[in-house]
Amino acid sequence: GQSLEQPSEVTAVEGAIVQINCTYQTSGFYGLSWYQQHDGGAPTFLSYNGLDGLEETGRFSSFLSRSDSYGYLLLQELQMKDSASYFCAAPSGNTPLVFGKGTRLSVIA
Amino acid sequence: KAGVTQTPRYLIKTRGQQVTLSCSPISGHRSVSWYQQTPGQGLQFLFEYFSETQRNKGNFPGRFSGRQFSNSRSEMNVSTLELGDSALYLCASSLVGGPGVQETQYFGPGTRLLVL
Repeated sequence: GQSLEQPSEVTAVEGAIVQINCTYQTSGFYGLSWYQQHDGGAPTFLSYNGLDGLEETGRFSSFLSRSDSYGYLLLQELQMKDSASYFCAAPSGNTPLVFGKGTRLSVIA
Repeated sequence: KAGVTQTPRYLIKTRGQQVTLSCSPISGHRSVSWYQQTPGQGLQFLFEYFSETQRNKGNFPGRFSGRQFSNSRSEMNVSTLELGDSALYLCASSLVGGPGVQETQYFGPGTRLLVL
């Protein structure tokens, strides 16, 4: 099976940088994805890491270390609209995606 | 390209009733997965369909079932509703999916079900 652990809540100031960590236990690993979900909205894909290292997409970056079973999502130049829940997720066996419980990010002025 | 659509968006049912939810994937996508989202349990995988066949199933009771049509549209059904079935039901589509295949899953807006 697979489980993914991430902090439940994070608060950060507008314009700052925030890092959301995700540790996983896996019986087979095919990479780590990150999704964003605004209240009342659908999860939307942000980033994927299949190999170790950093992937950058605009203000968002994601990092993976397979040897440490660890990844993180980095959000730079935070904006109020970044207030949302962020989920790490990974395939597990025959399950397309197993999700972490999500990290609720609050961006304050 | 139109995104994943789900109908209805909101639904209120009473215990013991049954409900059918519908999902239309992105055109060309053949894999459709269903997830249940609740505050307590988060996002949990229900089942996945590909080419009209259930390819994978999560750990949910048999009251939860689904099917997929030849046009890749999918429905899920919950019979004998319980209060705990109140949740946001999300469907997601991808091109092919399958074990070990890394593809982005595109989610629909979900159906919010309230069981009274």
